[in-house]
Amino acid sequence: NAGVTQTPKFRILKIGQSMTLQCTQDMNHNYMYWYRQDPGMGLKLIYYSVGAGITDKGEVPNGYNVSRSTTEDFPLRLELAAPSQTSVYFCASRRKGQGGEKLFFGSGTQLSVL
Amino acid sequence: AQTVTQSQPEMSVQEAETVTLSCTYDTSESNYYLFWYKQPPSRQMILVIRQEAYKQQNATENRFSVNFQKAAKSFSLKISDSQLGDTAMYFCALSLHSWGKFQFGAGTQVVVTP
Repeated sequence: NAGVTQTPKFRILKIGQSMTLQCTQDMNHNYMYWYRQDPGMGLKLIYYSVGAGITDKGEVPNGYNVSRSTTEDFPLRLELAAPSQTSVYFCASRRKGQGGEKLFFGSGTQLSVL
Repeated sequence: AQTVTQSQPEMSVQEAETVTLSCTYDTSESNYYLFWYKQPPSRQMILVIRQEAYKQQNATENRFSVNFQKAAKSFSLKISDSQLGDTAMYFCALSLHSWGKFQFGAGTQVVVTP
């Protein structure tokens, strides 16, 4: 059971470049999330999805886009990368329920924008 | 809007001693869940403990326990008999039954010293 898989693990981008962070889960979870974690800080929600075809903004959505065409995949797109997007990005998922279901996290993507 | 606040950026404790981490939250919902997650230097996110708001009894998991004060919207974590392996960032989080989001606080860095 692979759980939540994120690729790549590390990436360096130049200012203005674009990229897609991949996230896939094999647990048939309805809910998926993208967070960013700046050094020494907490996790800020970028986007989340409660099912295929449904996405919504979190606290810090500017500069990012997502799509959810399947239950398994939830890619995060960075357009016109900026130094402020240097961060560690985590994808997470959980099953739909009463709200008490634990989050399963990927191992993170360290992104630097130079 | 829902908020989660951790007011202690860093706490230091000696091995075998006890440390208490503070968390306050705000929500108008009556049905919600609170969590503590641990993030060691490996960056992995580990669920420590979970509390259902409708349960008055405080949750306990081995050396970890919470003090849940619903009226005060307070959810503190007590780590007893601290071990070197407890050194990590600890995050408080809120999840609502009616809401797909899973919101984290800014975190408290716990350092356990010999």
